[in-house]
Amino acid sequence: EVQLVESGGGLVQPGGSLRLSCAASGFTFSSFEMTWVRQAPGKGLEWVSYISGSGTTIYYADSVKGRFTISRDNARNSLYLQMNSLRAEDTAVYYCARVAVGDWGQGTLVTVSS
Amino acid sequence: QAVLTQPSSLSASPGASASLTCTLRSGINVGTYRIYWYQQKPGSPPQYLLKYKSDSDKQQGSGVPSRFSGSKDASANAGILLISGLQSEDEADYYCMIWHSNAYVFGTGTKVTVL
Repeated sequence: EVQLVESGGGLVQPGGSLRLSCAASGFTFSSFEMTWVRQAPGKGLEWVSYISGSGTTIYYADSVKGRFTISRDNARNSLYLQMNSLRAEDTAVYYCARVAVGDWGQGTLVTVSS
Repeated sequence: QAVLTQPSSLSASPGASASLTCTLRSGINVGTYRIYWYQQKPGSPPQYLLKYKSDSDKQQGSGVPSRFSGSKDASANAGILLISGLQSEDEADYYCMIWHSNAYVFGTGTKVTVL
């Protein structure tokens, strides 16, 4: 059974940093692209970032480019999202997902507020 | 103009059919894209329904009932999710998604209400 479990969310002040993690199991992690998707309260889904299975190809949404960094550790079956210079508009539930296959985690809430 | 536009809401009666559209922005040809469809209920992550590019290139999600089906309307430059025999449990938000210009793009979402 595929499992994606996010952690690392919480309350952070504007301008602060946070690192999200996603522990994957139930599939050959290194063979699959991974994405981060977020959903602000009461809003729709927004794609945040993509990383290829090897980690060599990375893309970001314009809204987070230069502030967020996606990475993966295939030996640990883990995906990460380093979020710096956080803004109020980054407040959302962040999902780790294999969107093209249909597997999503339960999400972790990030709240940016003073 | 958004890359993918969906009607904000749709209401239908139990047992009826509901056709959800996902219109691609002018200049983006629906024929070249694989369109993914997701269902999301409050407090839960999105659930994968299906993906559709053509009748020969489509996939139903595991455990997804066959009353959910995908298609395209080339004349409208849109992807379509058809829900046949609507049930109360189908009440949810529905999102389409494509891979476009090195990014996954989600539609604006349609809230389906089963009256």
